[in-house]
Amino acid sequence: GAVVSQHPSWVICKSGTSVKIECRSLDFQATTMFWYRQFPKQSLMLMATSNEGSKATYEQGVEKDKFLINHASLTLSTLTVTSAHPEDSSFYICSAHDRGTYGYTFGSGTRLTVV
Amino acid sequence: AQSVTQLDSHVSVSEGTPVLLRCNYSSSYSPSLFWYVQHPNKGLQLLLKYTSAATLVKGINGFEAEFKKSETSFHLTKPSAHMSDAAEYFCVVSDSGGDYKLSFGAGTTVTVRA
Repeated sequence: GAVVSQHPSWVICKSGTSVKIECRSLDFQATTMFWYRQFPKQSLMLMATSNEGSKATYEQGVEKDKFLINHASLTLSTLTVTSAHPEDSSFYICSAHDRGTYGYTFGSGTRLTVV
Repeated sequence: AQSVTQLDSHVSVSEGTPVLLRCNYSSSYSPSLFWYVQHPNKGLQLLLKYTSAATLVKGINGFEAEFKKSETSFHLTKPSAHMSDAAEYFCVVSDSGGDYKLSFGAGTTVTVRA
Protein backbone atom coordinates (compact mmCIF):
# COMPACT_ATOMS: atom_id res chain seq x y z
CA GLY A 1 0.00 0.00 0.00
CA ALA A 2 0.84 3.68 -0.10
CA VAL A 3 3.54 4.77 2.32
CA VAL A 4 4.61 8.20 3.50
CA SER A 5 8.00 8.31 5.16
CA GLN A 6 8.28 11.09 7.75
CA HIS A 7 11.59 12.07 9.35
CA PRO A 8 12.75 12.61 11.94
CA SER A 9 10.42 10.70 14.24
CA TRP A 10 11.55 12.80 17.15
CA VAL A 11 13.79 15.80 17.61
CA ILE A 12 14.97 17.95 20.49
CA CYS A 13 16.24 21.40 19.67
CA LYS A 14 17.30 24.52 21.48
CA SER A 15 15.08 27.57 21.60
CA GLY A 16 15.80 29.89 18.68
CA THR A 17 17.00 27.22 16.28
CA SER A 18 15.17 25.86 13.24
CA VAL A 19 14.02 22.33 12.60
CA LYS A 20 13.10 20.73 9.29
CA ILE A 21 10.63 17.87 9.03
CA GLU A 22 10.49 15.86 5.83
CA CYS A 23 7.71 13.79 4.31
CA ARG A 24 8.23 11.59 1.27
CA SER A 25 5.62 9.61 -0.58
CA LEU A 26 7.41 6.40 -1.50
CA ASP A 27 5.26 4.81 -4.19
CA PHE A 28 2.77 7.38 -5.33
CA GLN A 29 2.52 11.02 -6.28
CA ALA A 30 1.33 13.30 -3.54
CA THR A 31 -0.50 16.01 -5.39
CA THR A 32 -1.45 17.64 -2.12
CA MET A 33 0.26 17.50 1.25
CA PHE A 34 -1.44 18.47 4.47
CA TRP A 35 0.45 19.38 7.63
CA TYR A 36 -1.12 18.89 11.03
CA ARG A 37 -0.25 19.63 14.60
CA GLN A 38 -1.50 17.52 17.47
CA PHE A 39 -1.39 18.42 21.14
CA PRO A 40 -1.55 15.67 23.79
CA LYS A 41 -4.94 14.03 24.09
CA GLN A 42 -6.33 16.20 21.29
CA SER A 43 -7.34 15.77 17.69
CA LEU A 44 -5.32 16.83 14.68
CA MET A 45 -5.33 20.51 13.79
CA LEU A 46 -4.71 21.41 10.16
CA MET A 47 -1.89 23.91 9.81
CA ALA A 48 -1.50 24.23 6.05
CA THR A 49 -2.16 22.70 2.68
CA SER A 50 0.43 22.57 -0.06
CA ASN A 51 0.14 21.60 -3.69
CA GLU A 52 3.20 20.65 -5.68
CA GLY A 53 4.85 23.70 -7.18
CA SER A 54 2.56 26.18 -5.44
CA LYS A 55 2.75 28.25 -2.30
CA ALA A 56 1.19 26.68 0.74
CA THR A 57 -2.18 27.82 2.03
CA TYR A 58 -2.16 28.36 5.77
CA GLU A 59 -5.07 28.01 8.15
CA GLN A 60 -6.17 31.01 10.14
CA GLY A 61 -3.90 31.68 13.09
CA VAL A 62 -0.92 29.77 11.71
CA GLU A 63 2.15 31.95 11.16
CA LYS A 64 3.41 31.32 7.66
CA ASP A 65 6.78 32.92 8.40
CA LYS A 66 7.29 30.59 11.31
CA PHE A 67 6.13 27.38 9.68
CA LEU A 68 7.73 27.27 6.25
CA ILE A 69 6.36 24.65 3.90
CA ASN A 70 7.99 23.56 0.68
CA HIS A 71 6.44 21.12 -1.79
CA ALA A 72 8.95 21.19 -4.60
CA SER A 73 8.15 17.78 -6.04
CA LEU A 74 5.30 15.29 -6.14
CA THR A 75 7.10 13.06 -3.67
CA LEU A 76 8.63 15.45 -1.17
CA SER A 77 7.26 18.10 1.17
CA THR A 78 9.05 19.75 4.07
CA LEU A 79 7.95 21.75 7.09
CA THR A 80 10.54 23.99 8.71
CA VAL A 81 9.82 25.38 12.15
CA THR A 82 11.88 28.56 12.29
CA SER A 83 13.17 30.13 15.49
CA ALA A 84 11.50 27.45 17.53
CA HIS A 85 10.24 28.18 21.02
CA PRO A 86 9.00 25.84 23.75
CA GLU A 87 5.38 26.54 22.81
CA ASP A 88 6.11 24.99 19.39
CA SER A 89 6.71 21.66 21.08
CA SER A 90 4.13 19.31 19.66
CA PHE A 91 3.49 16.28 17.47
CA TYR A 92 3.55 17.17 13.78
CA ILE A 93 2.01 14.85 11.16
CA CYS A 94 1.89 15.08 7.39
CA SER A 95 -0.74 13.55 5.15
CA ALA A 96 -0.34 13.01 1.43
CA HIS A 97 -3.35 13.03 -0.84
CA ASP A 98 -3.36 11.07 -4.06
CA ARG A 99 -6.11 12.41 -6.32
CA GLY A 100 -5.89 9.33 -8.48
CA THR A 101 -7.09 7.01 -5.74
CA TYR A 102 -8.68 9.60 -3.45
CA GLY A 103 -6.46 8.21 -0.76
CA TYR A 104 -4.92 9.95 2.21
CA THR A 105 -1.77 8.47 3.68
CA PHE A 106 -0.33 9.76 6.93
CA GLY A 107 3.28 9.93 7.98
CA SER A 108 4.30 8.42 11.30
CA GLY A 109 4.65 11.81 12.94
CA THR A 110 7.45 13.89 14.44
CA ARG A 111 7.66 14.65 18.13
CA LEU A 112 9.30 18.06 18.45
CA THR A 113 10.57 19.21 21.83
CA VAL A 114 12.04 22.68 22.13
CA VAL A 115 14.16 23.30 25.23
CA ALA B 1 -18.79 23.26 5.28
CA GLN B 2 -18.14 19.91 6.88
CA SER B 3 -17.76 18.69 10.42
CA VAL B 4 -17.66 15.54 12.47
CA THR B 5 -18.95 14.77 15.96
CA GLN B 6 -17.71 11.74 17.81
CA LEU B 7 -20.31 11.10 20.44
CA ASP B 8 -18.09 9.30 22.94
CA SER B 9 -14.77 10.63 24.17
CA HIS B 10 -13.96 7.36 25.91
CA VAL B 11 -15.19 3.80 25.44
CA SER B 12 -14.21 0.94 27.72
CA VAL B 13 -14.95 -2.66 26.76
CA SER B 14 -14.00 -6.12 27.93
CA GLU B 15 -11.87 -8.27 25.70
CA GLY B 16 -14.06 -10.40 23.46
CA THR B 17 -17.09 -8.10 23.63
CA PRO B 18 -18.39 -5.84 20.84
CA VAL B 19 -17.09 -2.33 20.25
CA LEU B 20 -19.24 0.55 19.01
CA LEU B 21 -17.79 3.97 18.26
CA ARG B 22 -20.34 6.57 17.22
CA CYS B 23 -19.83 9.29 14.64
CA ASN B 24 -22.18 11.87 13.13
CA TYR B 25 -21.19 14.14 10.28
CA SER B 26 -22.36 17.16 8.39
CA SER B 27 -21.36 17.98 4.85
CA SER B 28 -22.49 20.31 2.10
CA TYR B 29 -21.50 17.85 -0.59
CA SER B 30 -21.40 14.11 -1.02
CA PRO B 31 -19.00 13.16 1.73
CA SER B 32 -16.21 10.67 1.90
CA LEU B 33 -15.88 9.26 5.40
CA PHE B 34 -12.96 7.58 7.08
CA TRP B 35 -12.06 5.93 10.34
CA TYR B 36 -8.45 6.09 11.46
CA VAL B 37 -6.71 4.54 14.44
CA GLN B 38 -3.74 6.08 16.24
CA HIS B 39 -1.53 4.34 18.75
CA PRO B 40 0.54 6.50 21.15
CA ASN B 41 3.15 8.64 19.40
CA LYS B 42 2.33 7.09 16.05
CA GLY B 43 0.79 8.31 12.85
CA LEU B 44 -2.71 7.45 11.72
CA GLN B 45 -3.64 4.13 10.17
CA LEU B 46 -6.66 3.85 7.91
CA LEU B 47 -9.24 1.34 9.14
CA LEU B 48 -11.80 1.88 6.40
CA LYS B 49 -13.33 4.46 4.12
CA TYR B 50 -16.67 5.20 2.49
CA THR B 51 -16.64 6.92 -0.89
CA SER B 52 -20.22 6.56 -2.17
CA ALA B 53 -20.13 2.86 -2.99
CA ALA B 54 -21.58 0.21 -0.66
CA THR B 55 -23.00 1.68 2.52
CA LEU B 56 -21.63 -1.14 4.67
CA VAL B 57 -17.87 -0.84 4.60
CA LYS B 58 -15.54 -3.56 5.81
CA GLY B 59 -12.10 -2.57 6.99
CA ILE B 60 -9.00 -4.08 8.47
CA ASN B 61 -8.73 -6.01 11.73
CA GLY B 62 -12.41 -6.96 11.75
CA PHE B 63 -13.79 -3.42 11.85
CA GLU B 64 -16.74 -2.29 9.79
CA ALA B 65 -18.88 0.81 9.51
CA GLU B 66 -22.26 1.64 8.05
CA PHE B 67 -23.00 4.87 6.23
CA LYS B 68 -26.54 6.05 7.02
CA LYS B 69 -27.38 9.18 5.08
CA SER B 70 -30.79 9.63 6.74
CA GLU B 71 -29.14 9.68 10.14
CA THR B 72 -25.90 11.38 8.97
CA SER B 73 -24.01 8.70 10.85
CA PHE B 74 -20.99 6.52 10.23
CA HIS B 75 -20.62 4.34 13.32
CA LEU B 76 -17.67 1.95 13.65
CA THR B 77 -18.15 -1.54 15.04
CA LYS B 78 -16.18 -4.65 15.79
CA PRO B 79 -17.77 -7.86 17.01
CA SER B 80 -15.02 -8.88 19.42
CA ALA B 81 -12.45 -6.54 20.94
CA HIS B 82 -8.80 -7.49 21.30
CA MET B 83 -6.31 -5.98 23.71
CA SER B 84 -4.46 -4.59 20.69
CA ASP B 85 -7.52 -2.47 19.81
CA ALA B 86 -6.76 -0.12 22.70
CA ALA B 87 -5.95 3.15 20.93
CA GLU B 88 -7.37 6.49 19.81
CA TYR B 89 -9.91 6.43 16.98
CA PHE B 90 -10.78 9.33 14.71
CA CYS B 91 -13.79 9.73 12.47
CA VAL B 92 -12.93 11.95 9.51
CA VAL B 93 -14.94 13.55 6.72
CA SER B 94 -13.90 15.01 3.40
CA ASP B 95 -16.45 16.52 1.10
CA SER B 96 -16.16 16.80 -2.65
CA GLY B 97 -15.96 20.57 -2.53
CA GLY B 98 -12.59 20.49 -4.19
CA ASP B 99 -10.01 21.38 -1.56
CA TYR B 100 -9.70 17.78 -0.31
CA LYS B 101 -9.37 18.96 3.28
CA LEU B 102 -10.17 16.54 6.04
CA SER B 103 -12.19 17.42 9.11
CA PHE B 104 -11.43 15.36 12.19
CA GLY B 105 -13.60 14.39 15.07
CA ALA B 106 -12.27 14.96 18.57
CA GLY B 107 -11.36 11.31 18.89
CA THR B 108 -12.52 8.37 21.00
CA THR B 109 -10.14 6.65 23.36
CA VAL B 110 -10.76 2.90 23.54
CA THR B 111 -9.57 0.89 26.49
CA VAL B 112 -9.89 -2.89 26.57
CA ARG B 113 -10.18 -4.71 29.86
CA ALA B 114 -8.75 -8.20 30.22
